[in-house]
Amino acid sequence: AQTVTQSQPEMSVQEAETVTLSCTYDTSENNYYLFWYKQPPSRQMILVIRQEAYKQQNATENRFSVNFQKAAKSFSLKISDSQLGDTAMYFCAFRYGGATNKLIFGTGTLLAVQP
Amino acid sequence: DGGITQSPKYLFRKEGQNVTLSCEQNLNHDAMYWYRQDPGQGLRLIYYSQIVNDFQKGDIAEGYSVSREKKESFPLTVTSAQKNPTAFYLCASSIGYSRGSFYNEQFFGPGTRLTVL
Repeated sequence: AQTVTQSQPEMSVQEAETVTLSCTYDTSENNYYLFWYKQPPSRQMILVIRQEAYKQQNATENRFSVNFQKAAKSFSLKISDSQLGDTAMYFCAFRYGGATNKLIFGTGTLLAVQP
Repeated sequence: DGGITQSPKYLFRKEGQNVTLSCEQNLNHDAMYWYRQDPGQGLRLIYYSQIVNDFQKGDIAEGYSVSREKKESFPLTVTSAQKNPTAFYLCASSIGYSRGSFYNEQFFGPGTRLTVL
């Protein structure tokens, strides 16, 4: 069965600094997608960034970027120039490339951005 | 504005009672999903539906039931058979596989907090 592991339950970063959140996954599939979702205190889930497994180039979205290491099954999220609004729970998620769109989530990392 | 609505935001239930959580979307999405979120755990899939009048069990379907009579609506019933129903419930929707796999982003509603008294 596919699993997603986030080994950092909580992290803290100073405003304007850079932080990296870790995620590892386990799968025997070759075609899949990876996502990072953000859940702020409002509890609304928001997609931050996504990566196709067959693409070697790491995805970037403004201050957010990933380091995708397929062989190591690692998918870390880097947040640059951290802002107070980045304070949230961050979830890593895995999806098969097939017909179903089932997401498998990690347990989350609570990120606190300090002023 | 297009989006997903869930109601109510907070719901209280007595033990032994069934309760239905509402989820409506006006995004014209084919697929809809229900997740459960507990403290210290990620989201876990309860049920999903890829098309009207069809749905499949997710990883934790026991004690729950759903229906998909309309494209816009995917209500979840928490039955008295669910042993530990207190949790935060999230509904999501996506375009659907037939329109392209990669852009099958799931959009989430604001959630319903269910508490069993």
